[in-house]
Amino acid sequence: KAGVTQTPRYLIKTRGQQVTLSCSPISGHRSVSWYQQTPGQGLQFLFEYFSETQRNKGNFPGRFSGRQFSNSRSEMNVSTLELGDSALYLCASSTDRSTDTQYFGPGTRLTVL
Amino acid sequence: AQSVAQPEDQVNVAEGNPLTVKCTYSVSGNPYLFWYVQYPNRGLQFLLKYITGDNLVKGSYGFEAEFNKSQTSFHLKKPSALVSDSALYFCAVSAFTSRGYSTLTFGKGTMLLVSP
Repeated sequence: KAGVTQTPRYLIKTRGQQVTLSCSPISGHRSVSWYQQTPGQGLQFLFEYFSETQRNKGNFPGRFSGRQFSNSRSEMNVSTLELGDSALYLCASSTDRSTDTQYFGPGTRLTVL
Repeated sequence: AQSVAQPEDQVNVAEGNPLTVKCTYSVSGNPYLFWYVQYPNRGLQFLLKYITGDNLVKGSYGFEAEFNKSQTSFHLKKPSALVSDSALYFCAVSAFTSRGYSTLTFGKGTMLLVSP
């Protein structure tokens, strides 16, 4: 099976712009989770989608949003970018149970200037 | 709320020596524990997990981890380290939220440096 794919791999934006990141899960996986990774804060959970519904949400401002499509592909959007949004954004997919392994994509490196 | 602590920011070990990367957790109910590894500019790779059963879990690349319920620990071990094991290691715990669905909480990560 193909792994989790994320596009684009690298992005450079300026403050105030918005950005959309894409994630394609492993075939058959219906749960997609998004994480932000920064040197200072480590890995922080953004949100999780299952069957096109947001099931869980982390402690991030409303500028961060996401959605999931019927084919389980997911996008996350960040509006009004701030310098502090510079990070590696990781997507992970799994089946459904809490015992199931989450498999991660390579990430999207976002740099905000 | 669930949490994971990795008390060491960095672990240094010589190639061929055994290595241990420490992890303790706090969670309500039964913990589901995971170890991941991250190489520079890459995503996380799954190493192993503990769900139930034998306290010693064997995973990829010769790694293993020991679940200790009384000490709420899940330390990662390898009998003989390789230079190529140098990477960032994350411990994570999964547990149900108040809404009934699980989330994965990660520790801060431990950088493992294996010297030749």
